[in-house]
Amino acid sequence: QMQLVESGGGLVKPGGSLRLSCATSGFTFSDYYMNWIRQAPGKGLEWVSYISHRGNTIFYADSVKGRFTISRDNAKGSLYLQMNSLRVEDTAVYYCARQKMYCRSGSCDSVWFDPWGQGTLVTVSS
Amino acid sequence: SYELTQPPSLSVSPGQTTSITCSGDKLGEKYASWYQQKPGQSPVMVIFRDTKRPSGVPERFSGSNSGNTATLTISGTQAMDEADYYCQTWDNNTFYVFGGGTKVTVL
Repeated sequence: QMQLVESGGGLVKPGGSLRLSCATSGFTFSDYYMNWIRQAPGKGLEWVSYISHRGNTIFYADSVKGRFTISRDNAKGSLYLQMNSLRVEDTAVYYCARQKMYCRSGSCDSVWFDPWGQGTLVTVSS
Repeated sequence: SYELTQPPSLSVSPGQTTSITCSGDKLGEKYASWYQQKPGQSPVMVIFRDTKRPSGVPERFSGSNSGNTATLTISGTQAMDEADYYCQTWDNNTFYVFGGGTKVTVL
């Protein structure tokens, strides 16, 4: 049974830092691209960051670029998100999610997220 | 930037069919996925690649995508289907885009 368990959320002041972790089990972590996706209270889903299976390709949403750093430890089956210079608008539940893709002849035409973790709440407030 | 538009809310009677739309420029040329999120829970994928239903998702959930609109249809809606539903797409230029979500209420 696949499991993704996030941790590390909490209350932090604007300008502060937090490091989120996502511990996985039930699948070969090193085979999959992974993502962080967030959801502000009462709002919709917002993609935050992506990391390839070997960690050599990384992308960020413009809203977090330069402040957040995604990383992974394939030996531990874990995904991380280092969040610096936090802002009030970063307040959200942060989910880690495994990326699935359909690719043929080296070209991919679709991406989806399955499964998702239960999420960890990050609150940025003074 | 690319945007996906969903109706904020829908109401449906038990046993009826409801269709949730997701609109975006030439969305039919991309693939859409759908996620169900019940209160206090994390999202669960119910449709991928427009029409594919993963094992464990009831057959009453189906998807389509053509032109500028992807649609998630729930046939014979049940009380347990009351949830928020999000569409999502991807391509090399726009990356990952989610719709704003649709709250489905089963009256």
